[in-house]
Amino acid sequence: NAGVTQTPKFRILKIGQSMTLQCTQDMNHNYMYWYRQDPGMGLKLIYYSVGAGITDKGEVPNGYNVSRSTTEDFPLRLELAAPSQTSVYFCASSVTGLGEYFGPGTRLTVL
Amino acid sequence: QQQVKQSPQSLIVQKGGIPIINCAYENTAFDYFPWYQQFPGKGPALLIAIRPDVSEKKEGRFTISFNKSAKQFSLHIMDSQPGDSATYFCAASWDSGAGSYQLTFGKGTKLSVIP
Repeated sequence: NAGVTQTPKFRILKIGQSMTLQCTQDMNHNYMYWYRQDPGMGLKLIYYSVGAGITDKGEVPNGYNVSRSTTEDFPLRLELAAPSQTSVYFCASSVTGLGEYFGPGTRLTVL
Repeated sequence: QQQVKQSPQSLIVQKGGIPIINCAYENTAFDYFPWYQQFPGKGPALLIAIRPDVSEKKEGRFTISFNKSAKQFSLHIMDSQPGDSATYFCAASWDSGAGSYQLTFGKGTKLSVIP
């Protein structure tokens, strides 16, 4: 099993550009999550999904969108990138909603 | 309140020492308390977790102590090694409905174990 994979590893965006962060898991987990991690601030939940076709907002959803058309994939969309979205983004998945497996992260810089 | 307060921010111990990291919470609806370990450039990895009906849990050199009445829990690392140098996050989770759990993280503790 590859576990949770994320692409790209690094990305630099200009203000106002859009991009999609990809996340795929091969463990057949129903629960998937997107977090952002800022220095000294821990991880904050952006969006989560309890299964294909079901998504919901977390603590910091503004400026982001998600979709979940399959069990395996949970992409995160940034429509109009802003400097405040400079962060490291982690995707995670779990079987029961507890004990999450995290991906390796995407480091995004918005200039 | 959904906040989890973690201390200290950073910690330096000598090899063989027992670093202790503390967390406190307010929301009594929290019912699952995991700890994560994160190495630079990597994603967090689940280390150990506890439920509030248990006061202590050990897995290898890692122990969680849980004090429900004080709403506090802590991570102890026995016989710490330089390879334990990482950032540690406590978290707390509650069922936000229909079996959907959401984690609230502390801000992290950077542990350095010096030889």
